[in-house]
Amino acid sequence: SQTIHQWPATLVQPVGSPLSLECTVEGTSNPNLYWYRQAAGRGLQLLFYSVGIGQISSEVPQNLSASRPQDRQFILSSKKLLLSDSGFYLCAWSVGRNNQPQHFGDGTRLSIL
Amino acid sequence: KQEVTQIPAALSVPEGENLVLNCSFTDSAIYNLQWFRQDPGKGLTSLLLIQSSQREQTSGRLNASLDKSSGRSTLYIAASQPGDSATYLCAVDSGGYNKLIFGAGTRLAVHP
Repeated sequence: SQTIHQWPATLVQPVGSPLSLECTVEGTSNPNLYWYRQAAGRGLQLLFYSVGIGQISSEVPQNLSASRPQDRQFILSSKKLLLSDSGFYLCAWSVGRNNQPQHFGDGTRLSIL
Repeated sequence: KQEVTQIPAALSVPEGENLVLNCSFTDSAIYNLQWFRQDPGKGLTSLLLIQSSQREQTSGRLNASLDKSSGRSTLYIAASQPGDSATYLCAVDSGGYNKLIFGAGTRLAVHP
């Protein structure tokens, strides 16, 4: 069966520090991978998606970047965190082009001080 | 630009009630609509996916309908239980590749 892992579960970082959140998927090949952010009081917003190694599409301009160094690994990064980067970050995967359910990790709660 | 709205924002019901959650979207050109459940501090669990050519999907006590022309979907929960307490989110895929646009969710509390 397929599983998705995200770490860390919680993270507290000072403003201006770098960030690296990692997500890995097991039990499937060539998944579509996604990073979402859920800010306090707001809905989920798609940040990045990837349909293959090295293929990253950004959905919103921001202080963050994403990379996919391996088929089932998706990394969210920042060189310098802002206060507005605080939120709940969720990684997800699906397969195929359309009409397949999306499966989410347990998320990372990021607090910026 | 696709926008998704969910009504009500919060709902509190006694155990055993049948209930309906509403979702509306502004652009009817969608590939599918999905319903998710989110427990506090957790990720999302996929409940139902309705393709644009379908009218409804059922899973256990859950039934979701889709009226693409009017831009509406409903999630019907039969015989609600305290374990159904969670936030329910609907999302639409307008651009393919499962790039989902989410509503803000309905927070459901089912009390014994």
